[in-house]
Amino acid sequence: SAVISQKPSRDICQRGTSLTIQCQVDSQVTMMFWYRQQPGQSLTLIATANQGSEATYESGFVIDKFPISRPNLTFSTLTVSNMSPEDSSIYLCSVETDTGELFFGEGSRLTVL
Amino acid sequence: QKEVEQNSGPLSVPEGAIASLNCTYSDRVSQSFFWYRQYSGKSPELIMSIYSNGDKEDGRFTAQLNKASQYVSLLIRDSQPSDSATYLCAVNDAGGTSYGKLTFGQGTILTVHP
Repeated sequence: SAVISQKPSRDICQRGTSLTIQCQVDSQVTMMFWYRQQPGQSLTLIATANQGSEATYESGFVIDKFPISRPNLTFSTLTVSNMSPEDSSIYLCSVETDTGELFFGEGSRLTVL
Repeated sequence: QKEVEQNSGPLSVPEGAIASLNCTYSDRVSQSFFWYRQYSGKSPELIMSIYSNGDKEDGRFTAQLNKASQYVSLLIRDSQPSDSATYLCAVNDAGGTSYGKLTFGQGTILTVHP
């Protein structure tokens, strides 16, 4: 498995602002992903963070709302832009290991007022 | 649209009993199946993966896969109060090149009472 660190672990934000979440992995990984878990819900994939190129977004998610960076094989950021209360969720960074398994960071719990 | 279905529970079992968690999926060509455990306020933790029909055992956990029936289950033997959590079934996005694109079920809440 990999050690995945996210920050902030939680934040309270005002409507209309943006927040950037950072994800750091202790080893180089090819595949990194960002998931969202809304209150009382299961996990939904937002996008695949591609190293050196634009992220690949899933249906219902767009780059203007959730810009993602992946400057190298150990780091990625997710920005939640122009936030509304509906964006209140846990945002989870995840990595796929060489064994084909997916591991998650501790998550960033975002509350938008 | 790919779907993964689980009974939301809660499933309540006495300590020492076998807990049986079930999951069905809609995409017949799905290839990889995972069970995650999520404690309240924590992130999901991978506990089992299974790729071929039959049973796979790891300690007190047994995953069972039946691709013909599009059904995957998780058995927890000798259940302990510490097993109380939400159990998430996840299925690989069939046809993709990565195992990381998973479709998750809603999760089953398991409570093991002393």
